[in-house]
Amino acid sequence: NAGVTQTPKFRVLKTGQSMTLLCAQDMNHEYMYWYRQDPGMGLRLIHYSVGEGTTAKGEVPDGYNVSRLKKQNFLLGLESAAPSQTSVYFCASSYDGTGAQETQYFGPGTRLLVL
Amino acid sequence: GNSVTQMEGPVTLSEEAFLTINCTYTATGYPSLFWYVQYPGEGLQLLLKATKADDKGSNKGFEATYRKETTSFHLEKGSVQVSDSAVYFCALSESGGGADGLTFGKGTHLIIQP
Repeated sequence: NAGVTQTPKFRVLKTGQSMTLLCAQDMNHEYMYWYRQDPGMGLRLIHYSVGEGTTAKGEVPDGYNVSRLKKQNFLLGLESAAPSQTSVYFCASSYDGTGAQETQYFGPGTRLLVL
Repeated sequence: GNSVTQMEGPVTLSEEAFLTINCTYTATGYPSLFWYVQYPGEGLQLLLKATKADDKGSNKGFEATYRKETTSFHLEKGSVQVSDSAVYFCALSESGGGADGLTFGKGTHLIIQP
């Protein structure tokens, strides 16, 4: 099993450009999450999904959109990138959100630089 | 809302020293508690977890006990190694509600010197 994978690993954008980050998991997990990690801030939840075709806002959703068309994939989109979106983005998944199955498994991260 | 507070680093120790990283939390319900570790250039890995009061999570020589009375989940290890150098995150999720994601502390950078 590859676990959770993220594409790309690193990207540089200019202000105003758009891009999509791809997250894929092969563990048949229902729940998927997008976090951003900034220095001194820990990880903050951007959006999440509790199943195929569902999405919901997290703590810091502004400027991002997501889609979960297939159970194994969770896409994070930036329609018009801003320097404030320079960050490291982590995807995670869990079997479900309850009890012993709530452990989240993380991808290796995507480093995004917006100039 | 929920929050997690952990000691900020960097924390620098010598090899074989005793380690404690403090973590306290605020939650409205009965959360599950986690410690994740992030090695340089990698994603987060679950180190240990506890799902109810007085539970002790343990892994790779690390331990943490869920203390409801003090709302704490301190990470300890009796003898650290250079390979333990990493960033450690304390986190919580509301019981039965992991759908909202994890609430993380800001992370503690641990540096172990030989």
